[in-house]
Amino acid sequence: NAGVTQTPKFRVLKTGQSMTLLCAQDMNHEYMYWYRQDPGMGLRLIHYSVGEGTTAKGEVPDGYNVSRLKKQNFLLGLESAAPSQTSVYFCASRPTGNTEAFFGQGTRLTVV
Amino acid sequence: AQRVTQPEKLLSVFKGAPVELKCNYSYSGSPELFWYVQYSRQRLQLLLRHISRESIKGFTADLNKGETSFHLKKPFAQEEDSAMYYCALLPYGNKLVFGAGTILRVKS
Repeated sequence: NAGVTQTPKFRVLKTGQSMTLLCAQDMNHEYMYWYRQDPGMGLRLIHYSVGEGTTAKGEVPDGYNVSRLKKQNFLLGLESAAPSQTSVYFCASRPTGNTEAFFGQGTRLTVV
Repeated sequence: AQRVTQPEKLLSVFKGAPVELKCNYSYSGSPELFWYVQYSRQRLQLLLRHISRESIKGFTADLNKGETSFHLKKPFAQEEDSAMYYCALLPYGNKLVFGAGTILRVKS
């Protein structure tokens, strides 16, 4: 049982490059989230999804886009990476109700 | 706006001392609150949720709606409690929001 899997685990980008982070969950969860974790800032919500085909903005959505074409996958895109997007990115999913969220292992992204 | 405040970035205590990690929230509705923990080199995981009123690993947390707080407490800290602790709020709309986190260091 894989749970929540993030791909890739590490990446170094040059300023202006684009990339997509993939989050996959095999638990049939409705809700999925993308966060960034920065020292002293905690976990800040970038975008989230309440179901297949739907997405919504979180606290820090600028510079990111997302898609949820399939229920099990939630993609986070950076169209033109900036050094300010250097961070550790976490994906999470959870089922309906006031339930536990399950997290991926994180993706460490460095933009130079 | 929904917001979670954890005022302490770092809390350092000796083994056996009591621990209290503070969490305050801002939300006009009826909140659902959680504590998550991230041990070194591990994924974030749920520690406890207010709705179940449970004690996990000796930790408890009580929701105080008057003070809009959900502080995490443990009477006797252990070295294995050293970790990053996050308080989280799940408001209506399912926008799971976290605080800035508190690093707990338990010294021997």
